[in-house]
Amino acid sequence: KAGVTQTPRYLIKTRGQQVTLSCSPISGHRSVSWYQQTPGQGLQFLFEYFSETQRNKGNFPGRFSGRQFSNSRSEMNVSTLELGDSALYLCASSLPVQNSYNEQFFGPGTRLTVL
Amino acid sequence: DQQVKQNSPSLSVQEGRISILNCDYTNSMFDYFLWYKKYPAEGPTFLISISSIKDKNEDGRFTVFLNKSAKHLSLHIVPSQPGDSAVYFCAASRNTDKLIFGTGTRLQVFP
Repeated sequence: KAGVTQTPRYLIKTRGQQVTLSCSPISGHRSVSWYQQTPGQGLQFLFEYFSETQRNKGNFPGRFSGRQFSNSRSEMNVSTLELGDSALYLCASSLPVQNSYNEQFFGPGTRLTVL
Repeated sequence: DQQVKQNSPSLSVQEGRISILNCDYTNSMFDYFLWYKKYPAEGPTFLISISSIKDKNEDGRFTVFLNKSAKHLSLHIVPSQPGDSAVYFCAASRNTDKLIFGTGTRLQVFP
């Protein structure tokens, strides 16, 4: 079974631009979560989508948004990029199973550099 | 507010010895804890987990201990191998809610 795929793997943007990152979950997985990883901050939760609806949201400004399509693929968008948005953006997918913890499977991430 | 903390950013251990990675949390409502391992240029991969109803879970060379009264968990790797060199993240969850990750500990196992 193919793993979680993320595109693009690397991206360089300048301040003020916007960016869209894409995530394709494992086949059959309906939940997709996004995380930002920066040095010293670990993985910070951005949001989770399930059945095309945002189910959970982290403490990030409104410049960070996402969506999920009917085939469970997800995109996240960052508008008006700032230097501090430079990070590794990770996507994770899970089934999920009702009333049970659902293991998350991570993609390799998209490395975003903002100049 | 960092609800999950890994206070040691790095750890260096000799091959064959025990590696102990520590994690503290502040939210007593967390009911599930996990450890993930991350190699450079790869996403984190699940390593081992423990439910709050247990105090120990073992999987081969990896054992996770949970001390609920101290809000502390630890990952023991015995014996440590060079291939274990990676960044280890602990994470916690409440009621199958989102995962809250720690900042990670970089483990280096040297020959």
